[in-house]
Amino acid sequence: NAGVMQNPRHLVRRRGQEARLRCSPMKGHSHVYWYRQLPEEGLKFMVYLQKENIIDESGMPKERFSAEFPKEGPSILRIQQVVRGDSAAYFCASSYSQGATDTQYFGPGTRLTVL
Amino acid sequence: GEDVEQSLFLSVREGDSSVINCTYTDSSSTYLYWYKQEPGAGLQLLTYIFSNMDMKQDQRLTVLLNKKDKHLSLRIADTQTGDSAIYFCAERTGGKLIFGQGTELSVKP
Repeated sequence: NAGVMQNPRHLVRRRGQEARLRCSPMKGHSHVYWYRQLPEEGLKFMVYLQKENIIDESGMPKERFSAEFPKEGPSILRIQQVVRGDSAAYFCASSYSQGATDTQYFGPGTRLTVL
Repeated sequence: GEDVEQSLFLSVREGDSSVINCTYTDSSSTYLYWYKQEPGAGLQLLTYIFSNMDMKQDQRLTVLLNKKDKHLSLRIADTQTGDSAIYFCAERTGGKLIFGQGTELSVKP
């Protein structure tokens, strides 16, 4: 019973490049959440998606960041033209539904370093 | 607004009890959570409590909730060196979790 999978675990990009982070939810889960953890800080919500729909993107920066969760395949968080301030750990979580009892289970994270 | 506050550090001796405190602001939160993060790892769910409960016990963990004061605590009995980690409390608002900044627990032998 695999948990939430994220890849890559570590990603190094130069300023101006694109970063693509992947998240495969737990089996049977159709809700995906992305969070960002800056150094020495807690996790900040970015976006909440269901299959083919963005439900809440209130935490997403207005520019350069986008997320999708297609009908088939993993959820993708895409950061265009990365800057040093994008260096952080990006965590994905999944849940079975959005019900009040539904727990979010977290993946191991992708640590992005922008040189 | 939504805000969750925690003290940043706690140091205890092995075998003692640890108490990690948290305050939150959203009175409509239905569930409150405690997660544990070890260095370089993701978040592991420890326990959660429904907002109409005052206390929940799970083996060495006891969660206390004071809804009037919006105060949540996590007590770890007989703390072990393996409990050294960062502990996050979180409140659920809609679909998203709002996290505190984490409390780093250091357990000394």
